[in-house]
Amino acid sequence: GQQVMQIPQYQHVQEGEDFTTYCNSSTTLSNIQWYKQRPGGHPVFLIQLVKSGEVKKQKRLTFQFGEAKKNSSLHITATQTTDVGTYFCAGSDSGTYKYIFGTGTRLKVLA
Amino acid sequence: EAGVVQSPRYKIIEKKQPVAFWCNPISGHNTLYWYRQNLGQGPELLIRYENEEAVDDSQLPKDRFSAERLKGVDSTLKIQPAELGDSAVYLCASSLDWSSVYNEQFFGPGTRLTVL
Repeated sequence: GQQVMQIPQYQHVQEGEDFTTYCNSSTTLSNIQWYKQRPGGHPVFLIQLVKSGEVKKQKRLTFQFGEAKKNSSLHITATQTTDVGTYFCAGSDSGTYKYIFGTGTRLKVLA
Repeated sequence: EAGVVQSPRYKIIEKKQPVAFWCNPISGHNTLYWYRQNLGQGPELLIRYENEEAVDDSQLPKDRFSAERLKGVDSTLKIQPAELGDSAVYLCASSLDWSSVYNEQFFGPGTRLTVL
């Protein structure tokens, strides 16, 4: 069945360092969304990418959708302690429209 | 504007007991989702409603789980009987319209279920 894997599973960085999480789907996605979940909280929508090769920026966050629409990445420049949490990608299979969340990357930022 | 409301926030039951969760989505949102999230994992979609119609329930364990959204607004998810493995956080989310290109989902705070 469809799988969406994220790497790394965990990442510890010093405050000010950059961070990247990668999302890889076993099938082609019609779109991809990114969510952030703080410890003890619920997922909060960050952004949606729809087009092949699309790049979007939100302040220190840069999101990319791969040309084949099977992978995506989230890059944070100069992390801050407020960036702590788990980052999930999620997307719809372009054939079945099944919606699936990735396995998540837990980010810890050390002050 | 109020966000997605869920109740209860916490529930502890013994195995084989029934349990129900309630969700009120954001006003005007046609699409409602129920997810189950196990510790350290991503949310798993159980069922998606478009108005009152369940359009994707392929991941719902239908032998013990049921859901309804009778008037296309609030929704109830039920487990009967509960098993130890059902312990998880049950999240409800809503979005304006699944078929639109832009489909931001808004999540409620979740119900943390513990089955003893």
